Amino acid sequence: GAVVSQHPSWVICKSGTSVKIECRSLDFQATTMFWYRQFPKQSLMLMATSNEGSKATYEQGVEKDKFLINHASLTLSTLTVTSAHPEDSSFYICSARTVGDSNEKLFFGSGTQLSVL
Amino acid sequence: DAKTTQPPSMDCAEGRAANLPCNHSTISGNEYVYWYRQIHSQGPQYIIHGLKNNETNEMASLIITEDRKSSTLILPHATLRDTAVYYCIVRVNAAGNKLTFGGGTRVLVKP
Repeated sequence: GAVVSQHPSWVICKSGTSVKIECRSLDFQATTMFWYRQFPKQSLMLMATSNEGSKATYEQGVEKDKFLINHASLTLSTLTVTSAHPEDSSFYICSARTVGDSNEKLFFGSGTQLSVL
Repeated sequence: DAKTTQPPSMDCAEGRAANLPCNHSTISGNEYVYWYRQIHSQGPQYIIHGLKNNETNEMASLIITEDRKSSTLILPHATLRDTAVYYCIVRVNAAGNKLTFGGGTRVLVKP
């Protein structure tokens, strides 16, 4: 299947600092990428839809000024958690869609574990 | 996207078939059934998807009832590495359409 690379896989930061997470589609172009957040023992929650060359679409309750999304190219989307606080500690996962044979699949990165001290 | 209902957990014996049910009684005609799984601390992994017909690939088989209100994912010979949370999702197969995850089924494969 298609490969989605996410970096870093884990990060520890101090409260008040910003953290950038990268999501790359390695062997395909992704016009749309999705960002999810997952708390321990819970399901994935969609945060936003990232479209190449345009503004991201955020889900209800997600602060767009806190979670900055940039999708400047067809293979890279970034999520920046600004002024991180301990409650932002979570597992962040990106996904990208591939299209072929009129069927559409979403492939996921390996996730980034963010711990804010 | 239509809602799905899955049992929260199930155990399976290694080497035996694992049958994972999913109810999606409000599924629309243009919604596909997708299955993903998530192994602990990893991103979800695509398994299989289908619209009406049963589907099989190297990982699993998907059996969809004739009225499409339920489906079953079959892992033919479960291994310890199949221990994961399995998510059944129904979704319109359209460009940019998102995946909405429910609670999933936590499958534990035992030796």
